[in-house]
Amino acid sequence: GAVVSQHPSWVICKSGTSVKIECRSLDFQATTMFWYRQFPKQSLMLMATSNEGSKATYEQGVEKDKFLINHASLTLSTLTVTSAHPEDSSFYICSARADRGFADTQYFGPGTRLTVL
Amino acid sequence: AQTVTQSQPEMSVQEAETVTLSCTYDTSESDYYLFWYKQPPSRQMILVIRQEAYKQQNATENRFSVNFQKAAKSFSLKISDSQLGDAAMYFCAYRNTPLVFGKGTRLSVIA
Repeated sequence: GAVVSQHPSWVICKSGTSVKIECRSLDFQATTMFWYRQFPKQSLMLMATSNEGSKATYEQGVEKDKFLINHASLTLSTLTVTSAHPEDSSFYICSARADRGFADTQYFGPGTRLTVL
Repeated sequence: AQTVTQSQPEMSVQEAETVTLSCTYDTSESDYYLFWYKQPPSRQMILVIRQEAYKQQNATENRFSVNFQKAAKSFSLKISDSQLGDAAMYFCAYRNTPLVFGKGTRLSVIA
C-alpha cells in the first residue's frame, strides 16, 4: 500500500515550452501533496504544498506563476513548469500524505527528470 | 524553526557488518515524528523507519533500528547485517508540515 506514481519519469523539452508533471496516490487519498526539487547530490528542496480544492502554498523564492500547481482531486496533483528554461532542468519529486492511517508519513513518487534544451 | 543535521556526508561499511548513521534535530515541540528515508541510485525515496516522539521504545524494522534520545534530540539509524542493496543516500527527516530534511548521508557498502 501507499504507492505514489509520477508521470512522466523523464521529459526533454525545448526552451519556452510548458511541461506538466502528474502525481497520483494510487491506493490512498491525500488531501495534501508536496512538490520538491532535487539538485545532484543534494537534499530535497520543498517548492510548494498542494492542498486539494485550494491554492497551493509556495515556499519563499519559488515563482508561483512559473510553477503552476493544481490539486484537482484527492488522488491527483499536477505541476506545470511554464515557459521552461535550461535552469529549470532538475529532478522533481512529489509526495503525498495519507489522510488515514499513518497520517504523518509522506510517501514519495519516483521522481521526474526534466531536461530543458 | 526546526532544523535537522546529519554530520556524516559519507559513510562506508563492510557487507554483513553494522553501521550507525547520525542525526540530530532542533525543535521546541514535545510531540512529533521522525523518519529515515533511503534514496538509492534510482532516486526513489523509500521510507525506512519512523519514530513517534511520545513513544520511548525505539522503532525497529527488520535490520533497521533507531536510537532515539529525546532529551539529546538525537535520532540515529543502525543498519545491521549490511547488504549491498543498502547502498544509498539516507535522509533523516523531522515531521512538520512539511517534512524538514537533513542534508543526507551517502552510505557505501563494500563487498
